[in-house]
Amino acid sequence: DAKTTQPPSMDCAEGRAANLPCNHSTISGNEYVYWYRQIHSQGPQYIIHGLKNNETNEMASLIITEDRKSSTLILPHATLRDTAVYYCIVRVATTDRGSTLGRLYFGRGTQLTVWP
Amino acid sequence: GAGVSQTPSNKVTEKGKYVELRCDPISGHTALYWYRQSLGQGPEFLIYFQGTGAADDSGLPNDRFFAVRPEGSVSTLKIQRTERGDSAVYLCASSLGQGIRSPLHFGNGTRLTVT
Repeated sequence: DAKTTQPPSMDCAEGRAANLPCNHSTISGNEYVYWYRQIHSQGPQYIIHGLKNNETNEMASLIITEDRKSSTLILPHATLRDTAVYYCIVRVATTDRGSTLGRLYFGRGTQLTVWP
Repeated sequence: GAGVSQTPSNKVTEKGKYVELRCDPISGHTALYWYRQSLGQGPEFLIYFQGTGAADDSGLPNDRFFAVRPEGSVSTLKIQRTERGDSAVYLCASSLGQGIRSPLHFGNGTRLTVT
């Protein structure tokens, strides 16, 4: 059911920018791109989401291509605490009395390892 | 503020027993979700509540699984006649609204082990 494709793993040096790619070539016009991360033994943590414009918050930046078929999550200055599995998710917007809005398809994500 | 709270954090039970897992959502959040995560996999959707009613329970694997949210706040996931294949981390999440722009905020889960 996953509608996204991510590399299984990536490495990044501490202090450098981590750029995590995601392909979502079948995304529909009203579907949002969400990013979550999961640190070992914790629940998924919300990072950021966007529709078509680039977004930035205190945690990260989200760059969505103009055709919306791919996106990149950017952690501008990675730290050791950013080591986690990062999930790119397309959130379905179809409303059947809102019944599909709870479904997030997580897939297997990208294991990001930040090394000193 | 307080996040989503799940109890117990760990539960070990014998095959065939009944278990209840509790979720306290973030105060004021109207939507509540249950997910299940097996080792090495991403979380998988089970059920979604808007208020007291289940808006989508299509992810529940079979009729041994049931969830309630009687007062629109705390929710309980109930598993009857547990099987070893039910062993997983059960995650609860809540969101301020049901809209697509309302992020889900997850608890740290209950690790269920069925022996």
